[in-house]
Parts: sequence; structure tokens; C-alpha cells
Amino acid sequence: AQSVTQPDIHITVSEGASLELRCNYSYGATPYLFWYVQSPGQGLQLLLKYFSGDTLVQGIKGFEAEFKRSQSSFNLRKPSVHWSDAAEYFCAVGGTGNQFYFGTGTSLTVIP
Amino acid sequence: NAGVTQTPKFQVLKTGQSMTLQCAQDMNHEYMSWYRQDPGMGLRLIHYSVGAGITDQGEVPNGYNVSRSTTEDFPLRLLSAAPSQTSVYFCASRLTDLYGYTFGSGTRLTVV
Repeated sequence: AQSVTQPDIHITVSEGASLELRCNYSYGATPYLFWYVQSPGQGLQLLLKYFSGDTLVQGIKGFEAEFKRSQSSFNLRKPSVHWSDAAEYFCAVGGTGNQFYFGTGTSLTVIP
Repeated sequence: NAGVTQTPKFQVLKTGQSMTLQCAQDMNHEYMSWYRQDPGMGLRLIHYSVGAGITDQGEVPNGYNVSRSTTEDFPLRLLSAAPSQTSVYFCASRLTDLYGYTFGSGTRLTVV
């Protein structure tokens, strides 16, 4: 069955520190992978996506993610976190039709 | 370009009442979906559509109906509201399988 796992419910980092949010997926075919960010009271905004090709993808707001097929992972990274990055982050795997599955999210707190 | 527009933003219903959450997109997207978001559960798919006249059930369809008479509109109807339907509802659309979803800003529904 298709699924997405985000092992970390909540992460706290200091401003300026590096960030890595974990995402593992289970999908029968070649996955289309996405990361979204949700600020409080807002809808979800697409950060980046992976379909094929280069396994390191760049997104908006200085984020990047690396697809590792052998580990079924698609972890999100940022070299230096800003206070404005505090939000909820969702990993998703997509396919045909209705096949679009979200993880349960990771809440990021940034300490000044 | 408005993207995905949801109305209303907030709604309070009494148990047993019915209502329709409106969703419209102006991007000519074929795929549209309704999700509900509850704490600790991520986003769960209620209903989806892959084109005008075509709808299908998602993970949690009970108590909800949808229709897709045009490409632009995808309303969600609550037939007889229950407290368990208290949630934040998101409408989303995407062009095809190869694209991520664009989300509306959400409707926060409280059933008392």
C-alpha cells in the first residue's frame, strides 16, 4: 500500500542552524515526490517536487531535497534556517488519478 | 490569476444542518480534490475528480457529497453535519499527474 512516513512530529532548531526533515515513502511505481509548507492558518504551499532525473532538487525559499531510491527517502534540507521558516512541513507522494498521499507532517520551531 | 478560491473561510453549524463548501479554480486544472486536516492526522482525502462529470471517493467520504459539473467548480456538500466533521477543509487542484496540488486557503468548520 502507498504511504508516506514523517518520523519526526516536531523539530526545534536554532536560527542559522542547518535543517533536515525526514520523509520515507512506500509506493509501487516510480514515485512523484513533493514537499509542502503550511504556515499557521494558511493553505499548503509547494516547496519543491521530484519526478525524475537529478536526485537533488532545488526549491523555493532556499530548500532542497534529495531522492534516495535505495532508502525510499526524500529528505528536505536547508543550510541555514530563518525564523520565518517556522511552520508545518508535509511530504507527499503522488501518482495517477487520486493517488496523492500526504505524511502527517513535521512541525518546525525556530529558536532565535 | 486567483488560483483556488474557497468560501466561506469560517463556518459554525449545528448538528444535523447541511451546507455546501464552495471551491473554484481558474487554472483549467483537470484534477480537483477535497481534503480534511485534523491535528496529528495530516491531510485525508475526502473526494476527488479527474475531470468534469467524473468524481470518486477518497479515504474518508462518509457524510460528504461532491459533484463536478464544470472544470472550474467542485463543491463539497455536508449532508447532515456531525461534530466529527469539525475540521479544516482544503480544496486543491492540479493540472495532471505530473504536477503537485495547488491549495486553497481552507475553510474552518465547527459543528456544535
